[in-house]
Amino acid sequence: DTAVSQTPKYLVTQMGNDKSIKCEQNLGHDTMYWYKQDSKKFLKIMFSYNNKELIINETVPNRFSPKSPDKAHLNLHINSLELGDSAVYFCASSQGSRLSGNTIYFGEGSWLTVV
Amino acid sequence: QQQVKQSPQSLIVQKGGISIINCAYENTAFDYFPWYQQFPGKGPALLIAIRPDVSEKKEGRFTISFNKSAKQFSLHIMDSQPGDSATYFCAASIGGGGNKLTFGTGTQLKVEL
Repeated sequence: DTAVSQTPKYLVTQMGNDKSIKCEQNLGHDTMYWYKQDSKKFLKIMFSYNNKELIINETVPNRFSPKSPDKAHLNLHINSLELGDSAVYFCASSQGSRLSGNTIYFGEGSWLTVV
Repeated sequence: QQQVKQSPQSLIVQKGGISIINCAYENTAFDYFPWYQQFPGKGPALLIAIRPDVSEKKEGRFTISFNKSAKQFSLHIMDSQPGDSATYFCAASIGGGGNKLTFGTGTQLKVEL
C-alpha cells in the first residue's frame, strides 16, 4: 500500500477553473504538508497541518485553500487557476511537527497543467 | 533569497566513480540537514541526514560531510551506479524535519556505463 497517496496524478484544466487535489496518508502521522515543485524542479513548502491545525502557511495566494478533515487527509483546493499555477504538487507527512529529525515522506505528486 | 545553495546543477559520473554534490547555507539556526533523492515521476525520498554536532555520517555508499564553521555540507556517492541516476536535493530545517524544509535547487546526476 502506498504510504502517502494523492489524486489525481495528472490534471489538465483551463484558466479560471477551480480544482482540488486529494491526499491521504496511512502512516499514522499527525503532520501533513503541501509542497510545490516548479518547472525548474525547485521545491517549496506551501502549507503544513498538525492534527488538523494549520501551522505553516507560506506566502501562498488566497486562491489556494488547504483543508484537513482529519489528520490522515489534507486536500488542496485551488480557485481561479492561473497559468503560473502549473507545477507538480506534492503531499507529504511526518510524525510530529516539533521533534527533531522526523523524516518527511512524500507522495508521488500531482502534475497540474493550466492551459 | 535562496537560503540553501546547491551545486552543481548537473553532474555526469562514470560507473564506479565518486559523485560529489555541495550545499551551503546561510541561516545558522538550521539544525537538521537531510538529502533527498528523486527519480523521474516520483516524489523525493529521504536518503541520509545529518545534524551539526557531527562532521560526517555514512550509510552504505552514501556519506554526508558537514563543515559547521564554513556552513557547508556535501553528499558523496561512492562507487556510483547507473541506478543512482536521479535528482538530488539538499535541505535544511530548524527544529528538525517536522518543521518546514528549505530545499536546495537540486542536482541532476547521471551515472554512465
